[in-house]
Order: sequence, then C-alpha cells, then structure tokens
Amino acid sequence: GEDVEQSLFLSVREGDSSVINCTYTDSSSTYLYWYKQEPGAGLQLLTYIFSNMDMKQDQRLTVLLNKKDKHLSLRIADTQTGDSAIYFCAETPRQAGTALIFGKGTTLSVSS
Amino acid sequence: NAGVTQTPKFQVLKTGQSMTLQCAQDMNHEYMSWYRQDPGMGLRLIHYSVGAGITDQGEVPNGYNVSRSTTEDFPLRLLSAAPSQTSVYFCASSSPRGVNTEAFFGQGTRLTVV
Repeated sequence: GEDVEQSLFLSVREGDSSVINCTYTDSSSTYLYWYKQEPGAGLQLLTYIFSNMDMKQDQRLTVLLNKKDKHLSLRIADTQTGDSAIYFCAETPRQAGTALIFGKGTTLSVSS
Repeated sequence: NAGVTQTPKFQVLKTGQSMTLQCAQDMNHEYMSWYRQDPGMGLRLIHYSVGAGITDQGEVPNGYNVSRSTTEDFPLRLLSAAPSQTSVYFCASSSPRGVNTEAFFGQGTRLTVV
C-alpha cells in the first residue's frame, strides 16, 4: 500500500542547516511535495519537485530526490526560529492533482 | 481571494449527534478532498472528489459521507458522531491544470465529540 515515512522530530540551533528526510513507496508519483504547518494553522505548500528532477533549489530550500531509493529530503539553510513548524512530505500516487498521501510530519524545533 | 473556506472553525458534539462540516472553494478547482489530522498520525485521507458528481473513499472513510453537487462545495457529514472522530479536519482543493497541482488547504475545523 501507499506509505510515506518521516522522522518525527528534529532539533537544530538557529543558523544551522536542517535536513528533513522522507521515504515514499509509489514510484508512479508525479509530484512530491513539502508542506509546512505552523501551530494552529492549515497547511501551506513550501516547495515541490517533479519526479524527473534530482534537485530543486528555492532560496534557502533545497529538495533532493533519489528515485531509485524513493528518498526525498528537504534542506533548510540558515535555519531561523520562524522555521519552527511541522513539515509534511506528501506524494500523489494517483494522477497528478488528486488527493495527497502524507507522512506523519517532522516537528522542527529551532533554538536560539 | 478567499481560497478554501471551512466552517465552523470549532465544534463540540455529543456522541450520536450528526453534523455537516462545510467546505467551499472559489478557485474553480476540480479536485477536492477531506483529511483528518490526529497527533502523531499526520493527515489521513477521508474522502475525495475529482469533479462534481464524483466522489470516492480515502484511507479512513467509515463514519463519514460526502457529496459533490457543485464544483465549489464539498461538505463532509458525520451521521452519528463518536469520540474517535475527535480530530482536526482539513479540506483541500487543487486543479490538474496547474503547473504543480498545488493543493490549497482550509484553516481547519477542530471537532470534539464528548
């Protein structure tokens, strides 16, 4: 079945880099996503990567995709206290645009 | 720009009561879906719809009904609420024609069943 796995917690110091890892199961997923959820709020798309890409960089964010190992990572450079949130990895095992399958989320805690 | 609007934001029900969680989007998106979020469980898909008149079950559909009579609205019905349905519910919409098929989420409905 479809399953997305993430580590549950990550703690870093302000200014360090954060790396959040994710493994997924469905190799037919067209897009892979990273969503951010701040306390008491809904989910907001942080970034995404198309399945034919290996890497995508967007300002402080770098997404790496290893299709062979079905491994996705999100690197946040120069992590700030405002980056403290829950980060969800998600895949689209069916046709693009249909419902997402989420991991359980990684809680990132940034200390100053 | 309203995006995805969910109502109510908070609700307390007694066991056995019924209610409907409302979800509306103004982006003309074909796809809509409902998720529940529980501590340590991430978001789990309840039901989804790929267009008006079409719905399908997700991972945890039991105890919930949906319908999609218009493109804009996708209500979620709890027929007989149970304490196990205490959760935060999120509605999302997306379009297959977008560049990245981004899903837009509502702010959530926090439901407590006592």
